Amino acid sequence: DAMVIQNPRYQVTQFGKPVTLSCSQTLNHNVMYWYQQKSSQAPKLLFHYYDKDFNNEADTPDNFQSRRPNTSFCFLDIRSPGLGDAAMYLCATSISDRAVTEAFFGQGTRLTVV
Amino acid sequence: DAKTTQPNSMESNEEEPVHLPCNHSTISGTDYIHWYRQLPSQGPEYVIHGLTSNVNNRMASLAIAEDRKSSTLILHRATLRDAAVYYCILRDRLYGGSQGNLIFGKGTKLSVKP
Repeated sequence: DAMVIQNPRYQVTQFGKPVTLSCSQTLNHNVMYWYQQKSSQAPKLLFHYYDKDFNNEADTPDNFQSRRPNTSFCFLDIRSPGLGDAAMYLCATSISDRAVTEAFFGQGTRLTVV
Repeated sequence: DAKTTQPNSMESNEEEPVHLPCNHSTISGTDYIHWYRQLPSQGPEYVIHGLTSNVNNRMASLAIAEDRKSSTLILHRATLRDAAVYYCILRDRLYGGSQGNLIFGKGTKLSVKP
């Protein structure tokens, strides 16, 4: 059974039209991460939540926001998607943010901007 | 700054062992060495991690050099399903939060030939 679920698997949005990607987990983990992965590149961390504490990476554009209404769900909001935001968006969870813990990834949402 | 260095690509034959190298010459005494892999069109998955001693699990073995400046992920019998990008990542055990995050480098693309 999938433990980190991302919906939808594929999302097409219009240039400049806000879009929300969702992630849910059944692991009851404290930490949830969002990564952006462009074609043929490594995943790039955008931000993460430790419980309700939000931690933004320094180079994450303001266009990207996130919400975590409860332990199980986390959302990625792209306020005004540009063509350069087309990518695979990966959600991951971890029981803690300590270095010994493993992260569990969802299958990703592939975002196309037209 | 690149903390790890891996070959861009490697090839293996099915049912033969594979040794995937990783150089981390600037590793600190508190860095854990993690390996993740990403199969095509999927999210990354945890493979193994270690600190100083060699480690074995059901997926692979991790051999860590005595000076810890390099490590090798060993797949004992490669299968077609092992074709993936393998990422070697350092995580500092002293820190939680952003400083201990899972930051991906470029990885090694492993191809497995039947």
